[in-house]
Amino acid sequence: SQQGEEDPQALSIQEGENATMNCSYKTSINNLQWYRQNSGRGLVHLILIRSNEREKHSGRLRVTLDTSKKSSSLLITASRAADTASYFCATDGVGETSGSRLTFGEGTQLTVNP
Amino acid sequence: NAGVMQNPRHLVRRRGQEARLRCSPMKGHSHVYWYRQLPEEGLKFMVYLQKENIIDESGMPKERFSAEFPKEGPSILRIQQVVRGDSAAYFCASSPLRGGNTEAFFGQGTRLTVV
Repeated sequence: SQQGEEDPQALSIQEGENATMNCSYKTSINNLQWYRQNSGRGLVHLILIRSNEREKHSGRLRVTLDTSKKSSSLLITASRAADTASYFCATDGVGETSGSRLTFGEGTQLTVNP
Repeated sequence: NAGVMQNPRHLVRRRGQEARLRCSPMKGHSHVYWYRQLPEEGLKFMVYLQKENIIDESGMPKERFSAEFPKEGPSILRIQQVVRGDSAAYFCASSPLRGGNTEAFFGQGTRLTVV
C-alpha cells in the first residue's frame, strides 16, 4: 500500500447521518491535511492537524490523528447533500526534501443522498 | 485577493504537440507546487518551485516535462511532444511557506486531453 491511503474508497449515506473516513500513512510526518474535491474542480483545504495534536475540530468536521498507528480519521457530522465530494488526506514527510511536497491518498468518494 | 489562477482550464492537444500550462499563485505566495491527477486517482506531486528556482523536481518525468517560475509572471509547466498518457488534470498550488507546514491553496486545474 502507498502513503496516504483512505478507506473506504466509496461511502454512501443519507442526509443527516455522520460520515467517517480513514487515512493511513507509512512514514513520519510533520502534518496531515484533509482536502475536499468536488467533481471536476480543484481542491479545497478543510483542516490541518500537526503531528503533536491528537484531535481538531472545525465546524461539523472532526479530525483525529494517531501517530503511533500512522492513521487519521475525518468525521463529518450531520451530513448534507452539499458534502458530496471526494475527500483526500495529504501528508508531508519529515526531512529536507520530503517536507516540500504533499503526498495524497487515492481519496474517498462520499455521496450524501437527500 | 484572488486565489490561485490556472489557465487554460481545458486544453486539447494532438499527439506530438506542446502543452503549456500556466499558474499564477496567490498574492504574496512565493512557493508553487505542481501536481498531476489521473482519473479516479489522487494527486501526485511533480515539482516544487520558488521564484527562479526549482527546489524539488523528484516527481517530474525525466523527459519532455519542464517547469519554471520566473521572477516576473506565472509559473509554467511545459510538456513537449505530448502523448495520450499525458492526459490528466494538472493542479497548481501555492503557499506562503514551504511544504506542509501551512495550508496550500489549489487552483481549479487544467484538464489536458491529448487526442
